[in-house]
Amino acid sequence: GAGVSQSPSNKVTEKGKDVELRCDPISGHTALYWYRQSLGQGLEFLIYFQGNSAPDKSGLPSDRFSAERTGGSVSTLTIQRTQQEDSAVYLCASSLRWGQPQHFGDGTRLSIL
Amino acid sequence: AQTVTQSQPEMSVQEAETVTLSCTYDTSESNYYLFWYKQPPSRQMILVIRQEAYKQQNATENRFSVNFQKAAKSFSLKISDSQLGDTAMYFCAFMRVQGGSEKLVFGKGTKLTVNP
Repeated sequence: GAGVSQSPSNKVTEKGKDVELRCDPISGHTALYWYRQSLGQGLEFLIYFQGNSAPDKSGLPSDRFSAERTGGSVSTLTIQRTQQEDSAVYLCASSLRWGQPQHFGDGTRLSIL
Repeated sequence: AQTVTQSQPEMSVQEAETVTLSCTYDTSESNYYLFWYKQPPSRQMILVIRQEAYKQQNATENRFSVNFQKAAKSFSLKISDSQLGDTAMYFCAFMRVQGGSEKLVFGKGTKLTVNP
């Protein structure tokens, strides 16, 4: 596709359940990022993948959060044992290479009941 | 750690007029990038403009221009001839080049409303 694609667009789940959020970056983009946008915390960096290098996980808020990027393309962000404070919009972005602008998807709105 | 401050939570402007959004940042780095992103109600973050810190010339993109003052660590966005479609949240963002990690650090945003 032409842009960064994220699915699902919206996700509602019960507290304690696991969720998986998917991101399909722009074709050819080597860098992929996850951010979280919430009312209280604004936009926060979560994790960054660049090619085959080890990811920068410094923004993950707890060990309940993990992410993978398979084959240098699609990425999945997994949240285990969800808590109400995990409710937020999760944004994925990709960029062509170092220093190039990040292009964002439409995000997944996650609501924990 | 880098911080980005947008001191104007909300602003409004009349259609066709000019408005300036403020942004300041704190860093000890000499080389970095600065961005303005727009987020309309549709939620997608859209790049408005980018500035490279080592370039003294201010970036421009059609009706959008920046006033980059490196010594003052200031990066304001000027929108000329405002249009109704400019109504959105505007985020200033800093990107440090750090050992391959290019995470964006965002300000809290400014909600801009363009009135007809």
